[in-house]
Amino acid sequence: EPEVTQTPSHQVTQMGQEVILRCVPISNHLYFYWYRQILGQKVEFLVSFYNNEISEKSEIFDDQFSVERPDGSNFTLKIRSTKLEDSAMYFCASSQGRYNEQFFGPGTRLTVL
Amino acid sequence: EDQVTQSPEALRLQEGESSSLNCSYTVSGLRGLFWYRQDPGKGPEFLFTLYSAGEEKEKERLKATLTKKESFLHITAPKPEDSATYLCAVQAASGTYKYIFGTGTRLKVLA
Repeated sequence: EPEVTQTPSHQVTQMGQEVILRCVPISNHLYFYWYRQILGQKVEFLVSFYNNEISEKSEIFDDQFSVERPDGSNFTLKIRSTKLEDSAMYFCASSQGRYNEQFFGPGTRLTVL
Repeated sequence: EDQVTQSPEALRLQEGESSSLNCSYTVSGLRGLFWYRQDPGKGPEFLFTLYSAGEEKEKERLKATLTKKESFLHITAPKPEDSATYLCAVQAASGTYKYIFGTGTRLKVLA
């Protein structure tokens, strides 16, 4: 069964460093998303991406964040200068259509020291 | 503001003891309501999509129902392997892509 994959599973970084989180969405899906979940809190929407551009972003997704689909299979989330409060589980998701169910990857646990 | 509230926060059941989880929502027009299962340290695993009031979906011991204000996830004769956090999410009809999640119900089924 096709699934969303994410790497790395755990990333530890120093405050102020740049990190890139990688995702491979399900191959015939057209819509891609990033969510995050701070420990013990809700899953929160960050950004959606379709047709090589951002279609929607939340207030969390400020200028420190960017997304890219560099090669037709990978989908990346970059945080330019990490802060302590960026520590969270980051989930990539994909869907076939805009209103179809979103399928989530296993997540990347980001720890900012 | 669009909002999703789940109750109870946590639930302990004996194996075979049926129960229901609740998801109440306020949204400016509902596009879809989604149930997910999340195991510790893992990503949400899709269970069901419900689109309109009166709709029901079933899968093994789970049954999801939808009204205009809430959804229920009924668990019939649960087993220990059903232990997980169950998440509810809604997508508004306002042209948005995002899912709004509740905080989830942590279910523990004891053998």
